[in-house]
Amino acid sequence: AQKVTQAQTEISVVEKEDVTLDCVYETRDTTYYLFWYKQPPSGELVFLIRRNSFDEQNEISGRYSWNFQKSTSSFNFTITASQVVDSAVYFCALSDVNHSNSGYALNFGKGTSLLVTP
Amino acid sequence: DVKVTQSSRYLVKRTGEKVFLECVQDMDHENMFWYRQDPGLGLRLIYFSYDVKMKEKGDIPEGYSVSREKKERFSLILESASTNQTSMYLCASSLTAGGQETQYFGPGTRLLVL
Repeated sequence: AQKVTQAQTEISVVEKEDVTLDCVYETRDTTYYLFWYKQPPSGELVFLIRRNSFDEQNEISGRYSWNFQKSTSSFNFTITASQVVDSAVYFCALSDVNHSNSGYALNFGKGTSLLVTP
Repeated sequence: DVKVTQSSRYLVKRTGEKVFLECVQDMDHENMFWYRQDPGLGLRLIYFSYDVKMKEKGDIPEGYSVSREKKERFSLILESASTNQTSMYLCASSLTAGGQETQYFGPGTRLLVL
């Protein structure tokens, strides 16, 4: 069985602070993919990043960075110098290549609600 | 850019009504999905389809059915709406079947069943 845990339900920071959103996953498969999505108040899930299980390099995209560590089964997301527009719910999700049912549907964590105040 | 659209952003229906939620994608994707999102429960898969006229149950299919008559369109049907189906419904699509494929989501439909 797969499982994605986002232990932080809500986080509140002041603008320009750095913030890290935690994601811990469980899977018995050696090949899998991890995703982060952003859901702003408008409701649409916006794809942020996909990482496969064989690539443990950290990734940086502007103010966003991701730290993938297989040893701790974690795929954490850091926003540097947060802005009010970063306020949203962020979801971590897991998909594995060998999951033959459910059309490789994503297993989502319950999400972390981030509020950035001015 | 991938575009996934859903027929309504907000919908109010009465208990017992038959409800249709429509989803259209414009990128010739093979896979399409319906999820529902509830506070504290995250996103849960209702049904998915990997080809025209093909459908498979997800984790919570009870009370729902689906239809995929054309590749670009995937409909979710609530045969007899109930109050516990009040939720946010999200449609997604991916290019092919495979865990490596990114799923792209529509804007969601907030359904209220009275």
